Amino acid sequence: DTAVSQTPKYLVTQMGNDKSIKCEQNLGHDTMYWYKQDSKKFLKIMFSYNNKELIINETVPNRFSPKSPDKAHLNLHINSLELGDSAVYFCASSFWTGTEEQFFGPGTRLTVL
Amino acid sequence: AQSVAQPEDQVNVAEGNPLTVKCTYSVSGNPYLFWYVQYPNRGLQFLLKYITGDNLVKGSYGFEAEFNKSQTSFHLKKPSALVSDSALYFCAVRDRSSGSARQLTFGSGTQLTVLP
Repeated sequence: DTAVSQTPKYLVTQMGNDKSIKCEQNLGHDTMYWYKQDSKKFLKIMFSYNNKELIINETVPNRFSPKSPDKAHLNLHINSLELGDSAVYFCASSFWTGTEEQFFGPGTRLTVL
Repeated sequence: AQSVAQPEDQVNVAEGNPLTVKCTYSVSGNPYLFWYVQYPNRGLQFLLKYITGDNLVKGSYGFEAEFNKSQTSFHLKKPSALVSDSALYFCAVRDRSSGSARQLTFGSGTQLTVLP
């Protein structure tokens, strides 16, 4: 059974379009995250949700809007896609203690043309 | 503020030799420290962590890391490298005093290549 799953795995789209990435975890965790990994492999936190409540919102353009319908799901919607949004987006989950490791999904490679 | 540095972009080692991947951190309080590995086209996988207690922590696949508070380091080590250890390794830190944010800060990654 996949612990943290993301769909789609690949996303190719035109500038200006709106797209969504879905994430689900079956580990019973109460905290979920979105990370962006750029072409140089730098990994940066974008958002964090605990029990469906937004905890971390880094300096991300407001074109990015996360939504957490329940503790097991955290989706990422992106409006008006730009070339610079091209990256690999990872979802992760963990328990809220802060000492527990995060479990990562397989990533979604977004390419904006 | 919290930060982590991985001074080497690339580490090459011969199979069977010991390997070290370096990590230094900066936090205002005390750290929680983690190592993750990323294989090509995959998500990050947890290797090991230091929370408290023994400075030497052991993790998956024979890896270990030593927490050194005076040098603010948490280097990853393995006594005998395997070709299958070739991957991208990330060190991450969280300041214990970071309150409700509890976010991890990742290093820039070190590409480990084990040569047969």
